[in-house]
Amino acid sequence: GAGVSQSPSNKVTEKGKDVELRCDPISGHTALYWYRQSLGQGLEFLIYFQGNSAPDKSGLPSDRFSAERTGGSVSTLTIQRTQQEDSAVYLCASSPLGGVYNEQFFGPGTRLTVL
Amino acid sequence: GESVGLHLPTLSVQEGDNSIINCAYSNSASDYFIWYKQESGKGPQFIIDIRSNMDKRQGQRVTVLLNKTVKHLSLQIAATQPGDSAVYFCAEKIQGAQKLVFGQGTRLTINP
Repeated sequence: GAGVSQSPSNKVTEKGKDVELRCDPISGHTALYWYRQSLGQGLEFLIYFQGNSAPDKSGLPSDRFSAERTGGSVSTLTIQRTQQEDSAVYLCASSPLGGVYNEQFFGPGTRLTVL
Repeated sequence: GESVGLHLPTLSVQEGDNSIINCAYSNSASDYFIWYKQESGKGPQFIIDIRSNMDKRQGQRVTVLLNKTVKHLSLQIAATQPGDSAVYFCAEKIQGAQKLVFGQGTRLTINP
């Protein structure tokens, strides 16, 4: 079956511009996560959505970052007034409902380059 | 495309040998530990996980060992193959939360 998909695969933007990154989770998965992977570092948690519950935004690095999930499926991560330090690979993951722990399935990521 | 940086710890092993990748974690409240494999240009792929009340779990060609006394996790890969070349990340799930906290990663290179 189809896995997690993300678009675009690559995005180059100029400093100060806004960008939107899209994630399509696996059908039926109710949990959705965004992570950021910078050069030389591991994955950094950004935000987590679970069903209709309030999202866990504890990992968002600044108020320039926001995310929404429409209809419990597709999610968009928006970065306003991009800075060069925002350059990274942005990874989305989804997992099925329920339980203490469920495996997170990752998409291929969006590589963002801010010039 | 390259998905991680140039300053990762690296491990080189001969094809067919066993490899051991180590990870230290910091949070005593973690209830699950997971190993992911990430190939160039791809997202992380689940390998194996272990619950905090266990000290060993085996999968196909992989074994994860957990030492809670020293907060150490290891991934053993038996009879390594060229396809095992990748960056390997350990991750921990904090009890009561769903997000994962990832380690820095180790780049494994298999020499022919």
